[in-house]
Amino acid sequence: DAGVTQSPTHLIKTRGQHVTLRCSPISGHKSVSWYQQVLGQGPQFIFQYYEKEERGRGNFPDRFSARQFPNYSSELNVNALLLGDSALYLCASSRREMGPGELFFGEGSRLTVL
Amino acid sequence: AQSVTQLGSHVSVSEGALVLLRCNYSSSVPPYLFWYVQYPNQGLQLLLKYTSAATLVKGINGFEAEFKKSETSFHLTKPSAHMSDAAEYFCAVSDGLTGGGNKLTFGTGTQLKVEL
Repeated sequence: DAGVTQSPTHLIKTRGQHVTLRCSPISGHKSVSWYQQVLGQGPQFIFQYYEKEERGRGNFPDRFSARQFPNYSSELNVNALLLGDSALYLCASSRREMGPGELFFGEGSRLTVL
Repeated sequence: AQSVTQLGSHVSVSEGALVLLRCNYSSSVPPYLFWYVQYPNQGLQLLLKYTSAATLVKGINGFEAEFKKSETSFHLTKPSAHMSDAAEYFCAVSDGLTGGGNKLTFGTGTQLKVEL
């Protein structure tokens, strides 16, 4: 079975631009979470979606938004990019009936903001 | 609020030696605790989790962790290190509710180096 897939794997943007990151969960997984991992730090929770509804949001500005589609794939959007948005963005999926925190992570999208 | 602290950003052991990675947590509610591993250029993989069923938790690849409430600790151990264990290890905590239980608060990670 395919794991969590993310695209693009690498991208470079300039300050003020907009970026869209995409995630396809493992087949059968209805929950998608997004995390930001800045170099040298642990991942930080951004959003969690289940059945197309936002179920949790981390301490990130409104420039960050996300959505989940009927096929359970998800997009993370970041507007007005700042240098500090440079990070590895990780998507994770899980089945609702799994225990808390049993997440399957993709390999991430590495964003560089110049 | 919940948090975890990982003591030691870098740990180096010899192949065959004991691996001990330290994690202390802070939580106002009974915590769910996790260890994840991240190999270079890969996403995170769940090693093991504590959900109050048993204080000694066994995970994949020979790793285990013991929940000690009195010490607020959840240290990760492996009796004998292998070269393939070289990776970054993250301790994480969840309250089991926020974000459907999928809001994890991660530590800053410990880079494990295994030497011949």
